[in-house]
Amino acid sequence: QSVLTQPPSVSGAPGQRVTISCTGSSSNIGAGYDVHWYQQLPGTAPKLLIYGNSNRPSGVPDRFSGSKSGTSASLAITGLQAEDEADYYCQSYDSSLSGPSWVFGGGTKLTVL
Amino acid sequence: QVQLVESGGGLVKPGGSLRLSCAASGFTFSDYYMSWIRQAPGKGLEWVSYISSSGSTIYYADSVKGRFTISRDNAKNSLYLQMNSLRAEDTAVYYCARDTYYGGDPVFDYWGQGTLVTVSS
Repeated sequence: QSVLTQPPSVSGAPGQRVTISCTGSSSNIGAGYDVHWYQQLPGTAPKLLIYGNSNRPSGVPDRFSGSKSGTSASLAITGLQAEDEADYYCQSYDSSLSGPSWVFGGGTKLTVL
Repeated sequence: QVQLVESGGGLVKPGGSLRLSCAASGFTFSDYYMSWIRQAPGKGLEWVSYISSSGSTIYYADSVKGRFTISRDNAKNSLYLQMNSLRAEDTAVYYCARDTYYGGDPVFDYWGQGTLVTVSS
């Protein structure tokens, strides 16, 4: 059971827009900690996609955008392309009683129809 | 360019030990915090351990506390994970990742390609 909750799967046709949600709690996202997003293409290591809720590292297309509100965050992908088919993970920081930890969502598999 | 290369994975029996290494290049290793993150087959990502740039601050996930030890050698640009008392549920690809602060909270901006650890009799 992941600390952050994501839908297991989403899908969309080429050119469409999809969103992936990430829900946390008062000890992580709701505590004001940033949300980051990673893209994992099949058989490869995760790659940073969005950092600090809504910032794109150099080289990431502006088709990818992130937002955060309250205890949740969202990743939006517009103009879907076949190469966007991948697993997407949200990540934040958690400050629970047992000590700090870096927490992930369970991952969302994006299928481009 | 930044490179992180893990090694040391393999097949080990339950209760056994293994030491993973991560060789860093392309950046000033001693300036950065580092973490180990794992991914069980077909599953999601799980943070395992963190070490500060000097090695003075270390954190572990509850699932590995008391069994795993993270360390680093800044002179060798290397990160390590000593894994003892291994269990079947430790089977996973283990990634080392650079921990960066972009003015906010820590984010993993670079990842290695991973090394597979299989715990089975």
